[in-house]
Amino acid sequence: DQQVKQNSPSLSVQEGRISILNCDYTNSMFDYFLWYKKYPAEGPTFLISISSIKDKNEDGRFTVFLNKSAKHLSLHIVPSQPGDSAVYFCAAPPPETSGSRLTFGEGTQLTVNP
Amino acid sequence: NAGVTQTPKFQVLKTGQSMTLQCAQDMNHNSMYWYRQDPGMGLRLIYYSASEGTTDKGEVPNGYNVSRLNKREFSLRLESAAPSQTSVYFCASSVGGHGYTFGSGTRLTVV
Repeated sequence: DQQVKQNSPSLSVQEGRISILNCDYTNSMFDYFLWYKKYPAEGPTFLISISSIKDKNEDGRFTVFLNKSAKHLSLHIVPSQPGDSAVYFCAAPPPETSGSRLTFGEGTQLTVNP
Repeated sequence: NAGVTQTPKFQVLKTGQSMTLQCAQDMNHNSMYWYRQDPGMGLRLIYYSASEGTTDKGEVPNGYNVSRLNKREFSLRLESAAPSQTSVYFCASSVGGHGYTFGSGTRLTVV
């Protein structure tokens, strides 16, 4: 049962424009959500997170929005840069694990064209 | 400042062969994990260890075994490799869900 889903395998945007990556979830009991970024031949690295009690969290060019009624979160990157080209995973800790493990979405490959 | 170190980085196995993937972390984290990444399927948890001396199955444990050798080291063993185990394997460690640090991965091909 995929509790966290990313329905877009890929996204291509022009440098300087906004990138919007989407993630849907099924479990309304998630306490928080995270985004990880992965470059080829490297492990994923933490990018940004959001608590379930908030609807927005911003860190520089990266903003995550949470819509609890729609069970949807999105990552906005403004402005997009070629160095942002990577695979982005959303993740959340299933409540039954007491927050000790993460379940990941399928990932979205972002390509930012110069 | 190594973080999480995985060895080997690449491996080719024949069907039926066995091997152990090694993972070590130097951050004094209690929890360690093994994930596999396959195209279109994201990162799926194979096994995890919440603390030294404990291990538990994740989403896709079949065909694998693990050993939490000590607080630093968590190994993943394939006893009889199958082509379906061709994947990229990531080890991670954490202090809770927020603090995941991943290794750089092992790309395994089973022919």
